Amino acid sequence: NAGVTQTPKFQVLKTGQSMTLQCAQDMNHEYMSWYRQDPGMGLRLIHYSVGAGITDQGEVPNGYNVSRSTTEDFPLRLLSAAPSQTSVYFCASSYSRGRGEQYFGPGTRLTVT
Amino acid sequence: QQPVQSPQAVILREGEDAVINCSSSKALYSVHWYRQKHGEAPVFLMILLKGGEQKGHDKISASFNEKKQQSSLYLTASQLSYSGTYFCGTEAGAQKLVFGQGTRLTINP
Repeated sequence: NAGVTQTPKFQVLKTGQSMTLQCAQDMNHEYMSWYRQDPGMGLRLIHYSVGAGITDQGEVPNGYNVSRSTTEDFPLRLLSAAPSQTSVYFCASSYSRGRGEQYFGPGTRLTVT
Repeated sequence: QQPVQSPQAVILREGEDAVINCSSSKALYSVHWYRQKHGEAPVFLMILLKGGEQKGHDKISASFNEKKQQSSLYLTASQLSYSGTYFCGTEAGAQKLVFGQGTRLTINP
């Protein structure tokens, strides 16, 4: 099993550009989520999904969209990048709805200039 | 709402003990603990479910007091490999896991 994979590993965007961060898992997990990590702020939940076709907002959803058309994939879209979105983004998946071990991807380091 | 961890940072010598605390303003169904090494993804340590249980493996254990909405992580006889940032995550029944700001643990020889 590859576990949780994220692409790209690094990305530089200009303000106003849009892009999609990819996340895929091959463990047949129902629960997937996106976090951003900034120094001193810990991991903050952006969006999460409890199954294909079902998504919900986390603590910091503004500026981000998600969709879950398959169990395996959970892409995160930045609509119009801003410097405040410079961060490390982690995708995670779990077999249980928020109550199982979270498997994290390797992360995407995003810089918005 | 993010749980609050304390302390924010700890520096120990190898062999010393440490306690990291996590508290929430909400009633909790579960508490998760993860460790993150610099430049890497967080790695799962343990989950404690509603019921006041205590868990542990090797020299790392944790407790969960659901009435006080608090959890503590205990590291005994710390090793150099324990260095990293520790995060607690809490689930308050909305099926979402919210993490604290982290506690940086440094172990010196």
